[in-house]
Amino acid sequence: KNQVEQSPQSLIILEGKNCTLQCNYTVSPFSNLRWYKQDTGRGPVSLTIMTFSENTKSNGRYTATLDADTKQSSLHITASQLSDSASYICVVSAGNNNDMRFGAGTRLTVKP
Amino acid sequence: ETGVTQTPRHLVMGMTNKKSLKCEQHLGHNAMYWYKQSAKKPLELMFVYSLEERVENNSVPSRFSPECPNSSHLFLHLHTLQPEDSALYLCASSRDSGDLASTDTQYFGPGTRLTVL
Repeated sequence: KNQVEQSPQSLIILEGKNCTLQCNYTVSPFSNLRWYKQDTGRGPVSLTIMTFSENTKSNGRYTATLDADTKQSSLHITASQLSDSASYICVVSAGNNNDMRFGAGTRLTVKP
Repeated sequence: ETGVTQTPRHLVMGMTNKKSLKCEQHLGHNAMYWYKQSAKKPLELMFVYSLEERVENNSVPSRFSPECPNSSHLFLHLHTLQPEDSALYLCASSRDSGDLASTDTQYFGPGTRLTVL
């Protein structure tokens, strides 16, 4: 069964600190992996999209990495801001065009 | 704003009611999607439309009926729902074909918070 597991489930950090969120998947055949940010009461917003051949991709203070061999991805947030408080969702698409699996998300809270 | 709007933002309905959710995208995209987000559960893809044709239906109960009259509008018709159908229903659009394996960015609306009594 194609699964996407995210950890930790929730995380609290102080403003200005860095953090790393993890995503492990078993989706096969792999096509691409996306990270989304979802603020409370709003729809998800795309942060990064990576294909099999990409190891890292950055979007401002967000940097995603992908290890297709170990089927792991991480999202690193640098110099966190209060506005980074949100849920971060990992999504993996299968290459056979009939499957897109979502992780349960990591709830990040940034405190002053 | 993402260019995808959804109405209503909140809806409370009884199990015998019939209601519809509306989504409109102002981005000139060709593909539109319905997702369900239940409390403490991962997002679930429900339907995918590409150029007004349904290309994906992920084993969704028939009490949910989608309609895509044109590439800018998407509806989700609801009838005889159950309390477990209470969730946030999200609409999204993407530029190209609705191919889930593509790297097309999906743009989400704010969602409709549905409560079934």
